[in-house]
Amino acid sequence: NAGVMQNPRHLVRRRGQEARLRCSPMKGHSHVYWYRQLPEEGLKFMVYLQKENIIDESGMPKERFSAEFPKEGPSILRIQQVVRGDSAAYFCASSPPGQGYYEQYFGPGTRLTVT
Amino acid sequence: DAKTTQPTSMDCAEGRAANLPCNHSTISGNEYVYWYRQIHSQGPQYIIHGLKNNETNEMASLIITEDRKSSTLILPHATLRDTAVYYCIVRVAQWAAGNKLTFGGGTRVLVKP
Repeated sequence: NAGVMQNPRHLVRRRGQEARLRCSPMKGHSHVYWYRQLPEEGLKFMVYLQKENIIDESGMPKERFSAEFPKEGPSILRIQQVVRGDSAAYFCASSPPGQGYYEQYFGPGTRLTVT
Repeated sequence: DAKTTQPTSMDCAEGRAANLPCNHSTISGNEYVYWYRQIHSQGPQYIIHGLKNNETNEMASLIITEDRKSSTLILPHATLRDTAVYYCIVRVAQWAAGNKLTFGGGTRVLVKP
């Protein structure tokens, strides 16, 4: 059973470009979470999605950031007009469906560098 | 979710048990204690969780005090690969409250040969 997959693993963007980060959850998982880890800082929750629905986006910056988890395909975290402060590691996690209380399984992360 | 307090760092000798403390004095009755770790540059890894009873799995043991205000994660035989930042997280058990994990600073554990 493959784990959570993220791609690309490393992404370099110039200021003003767009960054698209992809996350494929574990097989059978329908809950996806995105976290950001700025250099030398802890992980911060960004957004929690289920298929076609955003459940909690309390950690998302108000502008330039968006996330989706379509019915088919991976979850996408999109950052428009990137700035140097967006340079960070972005981690995706997934958990199974249902209203139980499950641990989250993390992917290897995407390291975004804005030049 | 209740706040947790952990030591910033600790060293451990390879092959010995590592005991990682966590204070969560404001924990409420419906909150679980979760432990994750993050090995350098990797995604966090779930270790163990518990409510009030002690728990053990293949990775570690979790000891929660009777008043639930603190807990200890025990790595029974630390190896060099256990060098990581360990996070103690307290989470409410109700799905409707959301599933996000709130990471603090964690404890940076260095296992030495």
